Amino acid sequence: DAGVTQSPTHLIKTRGQQVTLRCSPKSGHDTVSWYQQALGQGPQFIFQYYEEEERQRGNFPDRFSGHQFPNYSSELNVNALLLGDSALYLCASIGQGYEQYFGPGTRLTVT
Amino acid sequence: AQSVTQLGSHVSVSEGALVLLRCNYSSSVPPYLFWYVQYPNQGLQLLLKYTSAATLVKGINGFEAEFKKSETSFHLTKPSAHMSDAAEYFCAVSDQGTSYGKLTFGQGTILTVHP
Repeated sequence: DAGVTQSPTHLIKTRGQQVTLRCSPKSGHDTVSWYQQALGQGPQFIFQYYEEEERQRGNFPDRFSGHQFPNYSSELNVNALLLGDSALYLCASIGQGYEQYFGPGTRLTVT
Repeated sequence: AQSVTQLGSHVSVSEGALVLLRCNYSSSVPPYLFWYVQYPNQGLQLLLKYTSAATLVKGINGFEAEFKKSETSFHLTKPSAHMSDAAEYFCAVSDQGTSYGKLTFGQGTILTVHP
């Protein structure tokens, strides 16, 4: 049983550019959450998708947007990248029992 | 709003010694509580969870945690540390109001295990 997968593993972008990160949830999971983990910090909730709709959102600007596809996979898009967007981006899929299973993350570096 | 405070950003123990990582939470509604472990350059792995059943929760790798409502605490313990326990540990809270509540994490505690 494949766990949560994320791509790419690493990414380097320049300020002002746009980036798309991808996530495939654990088999049978229909809800996906995205988190940003800055260096030395705990993960911060960005948003959550369920049934292809954004269900909850954290305190992140509109530059952060997402999408969920009919197969439950999800994308995170960040526009107009800032240096402060450099972080590990984690995707989590949610199963029964309120457990959130995390992927390995995408390390984004903005230069 | 919910919040989590992890006391001690770094904890160092000897191999075989007791591990105690502290977590206090704040929540206006009954919480669900979680401990996750993160190894370098990896994602988060769930160690254990409290979801309003037994207050003493046993997890993987010999870890356990006790929910104490009166102290708003959910400290993580392991009787005997192993070198492989060296990692960063995160305590997290979500509310019971929705089935898929967002997680609010603490700042993390880095555990070092000395031979």
